[in-house]
Amino acid sequence: SAVISQKPSRDICQRGTSLTIQCQVDSQVTMMFWYRQQPGQSLTLIATANQGSEATYESGFVIDKFPISRPNLTFSTLTVSNMSPEDSSIYLCSVVGVAGGYNEQFFGPGTRLTVL
Amino acid sequence: GQQVMQIPQYQHVQEGEDFTTYCNSSTTLSNIQWYKQRPGGHPVFLIQLVKSGEVKKQKRLTFQFGEAKKNSSLHITATQTTDVGTYFCAGSHSNSGYALNFGKGTSLLVTP
Repeated sequence: SAVISQKPSRDICQRGTSLTIQCQVDSQVTMMFWYRQQPGQSLTLIATANQGSEATYESGFVIDKFPISRPNLTFSTLTVSNMSPEDSSIYLCSVVGVAGGYNEQFFGPGTRLTVL
Repeated sequence: GQQVMQIPQYQHVQEGEDFTTYCNSSTTLSNIQWYKQRPGGHPVFLIQLVKSGEVKKQKRLTFQFGEAKKNSSLHITATQTTDVGTYFCAGSHSNSGYALNFGKGTSLLVTP
């Protein structure tokens, strides 16, 4: 299994500002993802964070709004830029762990973001 | 696009009753995974199904993967209050690597 920490755990921000969320893993992992979960909703994949190259974004998400860094195999950041109240959500990073034939995803505790 | 539908959205049962949640994909999946999220927590992996028609059991939980690899179900026998949470199915498509498309989840409430 993988132990994942995220910083900050929560934040309240003003519209128009930006917030960078950090994700730290206790072991080297190849696959790392960023998800968004709006209150009471499901998880939506934002992007795959690729080490040493640009992130791969899902439909509806763009690099200018959600720039991602992945400097090494244990760390990634997601920035929510020029925030609006619609960006209020929980942001989770996840990594893939392969064990026992399963490629399960381990999720971080999430960052709860409120935009005023 | 590739969507994973899940029903019901909510389920309220008395402790001891059974519970089932269903998941359906518009396209064939390479595998399907199930996660449980407790209130205020993050999703935790339960199982992965890969083979057509596969059935797996974990104590009171039974997971099935359809023959066409487009649908799946999770059945809990004799629910307990500790089963409370939201159960998500998440489908993986062959061309998306390990990226998952999550269903909307089924929130289970169990009252004693």
